[in-house]
Amino acid sequence: KQEVTQIPAALSVPEGENLVLNCSFTDSAIYNLQWFRQDPGKGLTSLLLIQSSQREQTSGRLNASLDKSSGRSTLYIAASQPGDSATYLCAVTILQGAQKLVFGQGTRLTINP
Amino acid sequence: DTEVTQTPKHLVMGMTNKKSLKCEQHMGHRAMYWYKQKAKKPPELMFVYSYEKLSINESVPSRFSPECPNSSLLNLHLHALQPEDSALYLCASSQPGRIYGYTFGSGTRLTVV
Repeated sequence: KQEVTQIPAALSVPEGENLVLNCSFTDSAIYNLQWFRQDPGKGLTSLLLIQSSQREQTSGRLNASLDKSSGRSTLYIAASQPGDSATYLCAVTILQGAQKLVFGQGTRLTINP
Repeated sequence: DTEVTQTPKHLVMGMTNKKSLKCEQHMGHRAMYWYKQKAKKPPELMFVYSYEKLSINESVPSRFSPECPNSSLLNLHLHALQPEDSALYLCASSQPGRIYGYTFGSGTRLTVV
C-alpha cells in the first residue's frame, strides 16, 4: 500500500529565508508527483507537477525535485514571504483499480514578517 | 477555462434533509473525483468516475450517493447525514494518463446539525 509522509509537520521561519519541505513515498510505481498549497478553509491549488521520468520542475520561487528510486521529493521555496504561509501537500498519482491521488499529511508553513 | 467550480460554497443541513453538491469542469477531463477533508487532515478519496462510470467507491456509506450525468458534471447527493459528516467536500478532475495532474475546486463547507 502506498504511503506518503511529509516532514516537518509544521515549520515557522522568518521572512526572507530559503526553506525546504520534504516528502517521501513507499512505492516507486507512481505516475507523477504533485505539490499543492491549501489556505485555511479553501481548496487545493496546484503548485508543481513532476512526471515520474523527470527530476525537477520550477515555477518562480518554487523548485520541486523528484528522486523516484529513493522515494523522495523536496519543495524548495526561495526568499519566503508572509503570503507563502499555508499548508503544503505532497501527493502521488498511482494506478489502483483506477487512477488515484495519495496525499501526505501536509506541512503547515508560517512565514513571520 | 481551467477551473473546477463547486456549488454551493457553504451548506447547513439537518439530519433528515436531502441536499446535493455540484461540481462542474470544462477542461475536457474524463476523470472526476470526490474527496472529504476534515480539519487539519489531508483529503480522503470518496469516489472516482472515469469516462462517466463509477470506478472507485472507497467504502463510503450509502447516505452519500454520487452521480455523473455527463463528462462535465459531478453531483454528490446527501441524505440522512450525521454530524460527523460535517467537513469540506472537494471535487477534482484530471485527464486519465501518466502526464496529467489534478485540478481541485474550492470546496463546499458542509455542516450537519
